[in-house]
Amino acid sequence: EPEVTQTPSHQVTQMGQEVILRCVPISNHLYFYWYRQILGQKVEFLVSFYNNEISEKSEIFDDQFSVERPDGSNFTLKIRSTKLEDSAMYFCARQQGSNYNSPLHFGNGTRLTVT
Amino acid sequence: QKEVEQDPGPLSVPEGAIVSLNCTYSNSAFQYFMWYRQYSRKGPELLMYTYSSGNKEDGRFTAQVDKSSKYISLFIRDSQPSDSATYLCAMSEINTGTASKLTFGTGTRLQVTL
Repeated sequence: EPEVTQTPSHQVTQMGQEVILRCVPISNHLYFYWYRQILGQKVEFLVSFYNNEISEKSEIFDDQFSVERPDGSNFTLKIRSTKLEDSAMYFCARQQGSNYNSPLHFGNGTRLTVT
Repeated sequence: QKEVEQDPGPLSVPEGAIVSLNCTYSNSAFQYFMWYRQYSRKGPELLMYTYSSGNKEDGRFTAQVDKSSKYISLFIRDSQPSDSATYLCAMSEINTGTASKLTFGTGTRLQVTL
């Protein structure tokens, strides 16, 4: 079983709508990440989040995207106005240990379908 | 040239065979190397993790890194049908803040047949 739980497992939305994807880590960690995998393509880094701040983001992570940890537990990815090309699997990940160099463990993902 | 190249397969082998999966990379700053296994519609599952050249063994799995050739491999001994999945190589630089910004290969789909 993955050590992070993502909800929902599948989200269908219409183009232009806002979506919020959620990640609940089982244990208390400071480093979190979002990755994306478009069908048939490679897993891509979106953003890293440390101590309630974005520490690094990719060129994919434009103004349509935002992340936050609103209640100190859940970690969310918001897409403000979805586009067809946002259809993908979105994975939340956390460090294996407390060291930022330790490898990542991924959740089972949220499949986002934009129609 | 892509940063990380991986043959997408599919690779089909009989049960019990030794499987060899490979990735090449172009960025000499990559220092951390990982192998993930991904079943259909699931998240990547960490199999192996290393940051030094040479071999690292864990059960039926051996990860091999050759930094001089920019080439990494994953060997699976005594392959089982349950090993059928997509295998992703991933790597990252050692600098602060980038160690977990992973660059993935496209993945190799493996099918182990009875």
